[in-house]
Amino acid sequence: EVQLVESGGGLVQPGASLKLSCVASGFTFSDYWMSWVRQTPGKTMEWIGDIKYDGSYTNYAPSLKNRFTISRDNAKSTLYLQMSNVRSEDTATYYCTGNWFAYWGQGTLVTVSS
Amino acid sequence: DVVLTQTPPTLSATIGQSVSISCRSSQSLLDSDGDTYLNWLLQRPGQSPQLLIYSVSNLESGVPNRFSGSGSETDFTLKISGVEAEDLGVYYCMQATHAPLTFGSGTKLEIK
Repeated sequence: EVQLVESGGGLVQPGASLKLSCVASGFTFSDYWMSWVRQTPGKTMEWIGDIKYDGSYTNYAPSLKNRFTISRDNAKSTLYLQMSNVRSEDTATYYCTGNWFAYWGQGTLVTVSS
Repeated sequence: DVVLTQTPPTLSATIGQSVSISCRSSQSLLDSDGDTYLNWLLQRPGQSPQLLIYSVSNLESGVPNRFSGSGSETDFTLKISGVEAEDLGVYYCMQATHAPLTFGSGTKLEIK
């Protein structure tokens, strides 16, 4: 059974940094591009970026490129999202996805507030 | 960025009724490789999104065949032939032809 399990969300203050993780199982993680997508409280979906199966290439939404970094550790079947200088508008549920959006995690909620 | 406009924003249907959702793109989604990367997702209440249709008309594994997708270039449609109670939720179209990938604003399907 395919599973993607995100963690690392929570309440953070504006300007802080946060690192989200997504542990994959049930498929060969190192064979797939992986993505991060977020959903705001108002249910708007936003693509954050993706990373090639070997970690050698990343793409980002231009509006997030300077603050968010995607990485992966194929030995641990884990995808990461490093968020820096977070803002209130980063408040959202963050999902990792794979296999061209066929696989989704349960999401982890990030709330940015002082 | 590509803007995807979904209509209607909400839809109310009875069990067994057939319904359609439209997704219009601000640019052609036909890729240079000949494929059109337009997907449909369903998010049931309290759940993560799930992929229903990929590349306009391909049914994802395990998805009932009452769901079908059609369209080309800038106009796309998701049809549900015989709504069932489990189909309630929010439907999103999304495109992966042009970076950044973008999503429609969603269509909420309610069961009467």
